[in-house]
Amino acid sequence: NAGVMQNPRHLVRRRGQEARLRCSPMKGHSHVYWYRQLPEEGLKFMVYLQKENIIDESGMPKERFSAEFPKEGPSILRIQQVVRGDSAAYFCASSTMTGSTYEQYFGPGTRLTVT
Amino acid sequence: SQQGEEDPQALSIQEGENATMNCSYKTSINNLQWYRQNSGRGLVHLILIRSNEREKHSGRLRVTLDTSKKSSSLLITASRAADTASYFCATDSGAGSYQLTFGKGTKLSVIP
Repeated sequence: NAGVMQNPRHLVRRRGQEARLRCSPMKGHSHVYWYRQLPEEGLKFMVYLQKENIIDESGMPKERFSAEFPKEGPSILRIQQVVRGDSAAYFCASSTMTGSTYEQYFGPGTRLTVT
Repeated sequence: SQQGEEDPQALSIQEGENATMNCSYKTSINNLQWYRQNSGRGLVHLILIRSNEREKHSGRLRVTLDTSKKSSSLLITASRAADTASYFCATDSGAGSYQLTFGKGTKLSVIP
């Protein structure tokens, strides 16, 4: 059973470009979470999705950021018109059910660098 | 301080010694989890302790939880060089929340 897959692992974008980060949850997992980690910081929750539904996006900036988890295919975190402050590691996690008693399995992350 | 704050920020020990890391939090929780992150890598789940548990063991790991003090500790016994990593505690925000809140972590260096 493959773990959570994220791609690309590293992404370099110039200011103003778009960044698309992909996450394939573990097989059988229908709950996906995105977290952001700034340098020397802990992870910060961004958004929680189920198939075709955004359940909670309270941690995601209102502008330029969007997320989706379509019926088919990976979950996508999209950042439009990137700025230097978007440089961070973005981690995706998945779980079988939701709630804090269910372990969230993390992917290896995508490291975004905005130049 | 933020929810799930680890102490110390950095710890350097000799191989074979024990390493103790602490975590403090502010609000009530259902569970507390510890994760390990190797440099530039993703997070690996180590152990989950429920709010009604006081101590839990897993191999060389021992986790304690004191809900009255809102604190937890992670003890790694007989450390190895491969234990070198950052360790994070993560708390939920209660009521079965899926939102994990992480601290800044403790950087552990185990010197061979």
